[in-house]
Amino acid sequence: DADVTQTPRNRITKTGKRIMLECSQTKGHDRMYWYRQDPGLGLRLIYYSFDVKDINKGEISDGYSVSRQAQAKFSLSLESAIPNQTALYFCATSGPPERGTEAFFGQGTRLTVV
Amino acid sequence: AQSVTQLDSHVSVSEGTPVLLRCNYSSSYSPSLFWYVQHPNKGLQLLLKYTSAATLVKGINGFEAEFKKSETSFHLTKPSAHMSDAAEYFCVVSDRVENFNKFYFGSGTKLNVKP
Repeated sequence: DADVTQTPRNRITKTGKRIMLECSQTKGHDRMYWYRQDPGLGLRLIYYSFDVKDINKGEISDGYSVSRQAQAKFSLSLESAIPNQTALYFCATSGPPERGTEAFFGQGTRLTVV
Repeated sequence: AQSVTQLDSHVSVSEGTPVLLRCNYSSSYSPSLFWYVQHPNKGLQLLLKYTSAATLVKGINGFEAEFKKSETSFHLTKPSAHMSDAAEYFCVVSDRVENFNKFYFGSGTKLNVKP
């Protein structure tokens, strides 16, 4: 089983709909992240969290919200989806912020807003 | 603030020939640097990382990268490309911000391997 699991893997939704993307991890990491990938732009940080009480905005948080339900679960919501939120979304985890600590990624959720 | 520039958006090589994917970074201090690979419809897999030990870092699948502080570069190389190397590659720099490592991604380089 994957260490970082995202559901769903693919989703098509209509403009204006609310949608939630879910992420769970078995790494035992406190730190979790949501990224968005667009062609030619790499990955950009949406939100990150240390625990259920600690939620931080990344560089592109507008139009998104998150919930950290438990150490292992971190969900991303689009309250009212718009077409320019069509992208590939990745959840990631990492250990303590020591030198060389890497990020572990889920398989991604491909979201299409029509 | 950290930033990463991948100098080529697409690289095409023939199978069996060397691969060079270029990456330059900006950092106010000695950074941690990573290369990740993304195969089609897959997540991101760590290829290798630099953490201030040896400047030449060996990774999986025969890939290497050399940290050159004077050139602020961390180019990825492989002596002989294989068809299975066709993928998108991301150079990443990490920065400690309070209680987190924040990861900054380059825009990616798509590697095409021709038979």
